[in-house]
Order: sequence, then structure tokens, then C-alpha cells
Amino acid sequence: GAVVSQHPSRVICKSGTSVKIECRSLDFQATTMFWYRQFPKQSLMLMATSNEGSKATYEQGVEKDKFLINHASLTLSTLTVTSAHPEDSSFYICSGRGSGANVLTFGAGSRLTVL
Amino acid sequence: GNSVTQMEGPVTLSEEAFLTINCTYTATGYPSLFWYVQYPGEGLQLLLKATKADDKGSNKGFEATYRKETTSFHLEKGSVQVSDSAVYFCALSGAAGGSYIPTFGRGTSLIVHP
Repeated sequence: GAVVSQHPSRVICKSGTSVKIECRSLDFQATTMFWYRQFPKQSLMLMATSNEGSKATYEQGVEKDKFLINHASLTLSTLTVTSAHPEDSSFYICSGRGSGANVLTFGAGSRLTVL
Repeated sequence: GNSVTQMEGPVTLSEEAFLTINCTYTATGYPSLFWYVQYPGEGLQLLLKATKADDKGSNKGFEATYRKETTSFHLEKGSVQVSDSAVYFCALSGAAGGSYIPTFGRGTSLIVHP
């Protein structure tokens, strides 16, 4: 079945550095990729939606210059957290959807800890 | 706008107990409905889905029926196991207006004791 491979699963970085998270769709073409941030007590917050070859659409309150999303191909999307700060520490999850599909395939998530 | 409301957790049960996790939704048109499961430290996985009214989704002993009259999609399992301990998310997608951006509930944590 469809799989989204997300890396790294865990990353620890110093404040002020940038971190890149990759999501690759395996066995299907993810025309749309959704990026979520999961806060304590479970709730998922949609950060942005990206369609292959287009600029990402960010949700209200999400800083597009801080959370850079690239979706240059049908199988790869990246999220770069620029100049990370401790408040950016969180669990980030990507999910891909193929053209015309209604089901999302989620990556395993990336735990970011900013010291 | 679209919304999904789930019962607050955690839900704590003994092994072999009956499980119900309530989910109701607000949406225009005829969305598809989903249950996703998140095991500790992992991403979400699709558990089951239903695409039209009165459809029943089922998987791994879990079931949910799309009830348009009550705008509900409650998750049930007749006999839970310790391995079912996880967070369960109800979601909808494809409501009227052409929006395929999925809408998630806040998640319900299930804890099953031996």
C-alpha cells in the first residue's frame, strides 16, 4: 500500500539553527502534501497545504518565512524550520494524498527538540 | 465551516470490554468520514472509512457507521485488547465546496488495562 517515509524521526538542534524534515511518498505520487504540528494532548494543527510545483498555502497564524515548505516533485516534500527556537519544539507530521484520492497517508512523524 | 467533535478522553477500559468513541460532525454536502489511529510515538494510520450515508467501515474488529441523520460516525469494538491502546482521530474530507482539506477531531486517547 501507499507509504510516506518521513525523516528524521527525531532531531535535536541548538536555538538559531535550521532543521529540514523530508517526506517521500513511496508507491504513489503525492500531488498534495499536508503538514501538521501536533501539540501535547494530541491535537493536530494543520500548518500548510502544498501542491506539487506550487507555493504552499499556509494556515492563519503560521509564519511562512519560518516554516519553509517545498514540494518540488510528486514524491518529495520538505519542511524547513528556520532559526528554530525552543517554542518550535514539537511533533511534526506530513501526510500525502494522490490525485483524486480522499485518503491521507501519514508519515511517522518527526520529533523536534530545540535546546 | 466543517468541524469534527469527539468525546474527550482518556477512555480507560479493561481488556475485553466494549468500546464506543463518539464522533459527530458538521459539514455541508456529503463528506467522507474516517477514523485514524496513532500508536505511541508514531504517525497516524487509517483505521477505517465510509464514503456515503449508511456505509459501515470496518477493520481489525473496529466498526463505524456513517449516520447522516444524526451526523455521527461513532467508533465501536466489541472486545478491546491492550494493543488497542492508542489515540483515535475522527476526520472528514470532501465536504461541499470542493474542499479536500481534511478536518480532524481533537483525538481520544484509549487506555486498555490487562
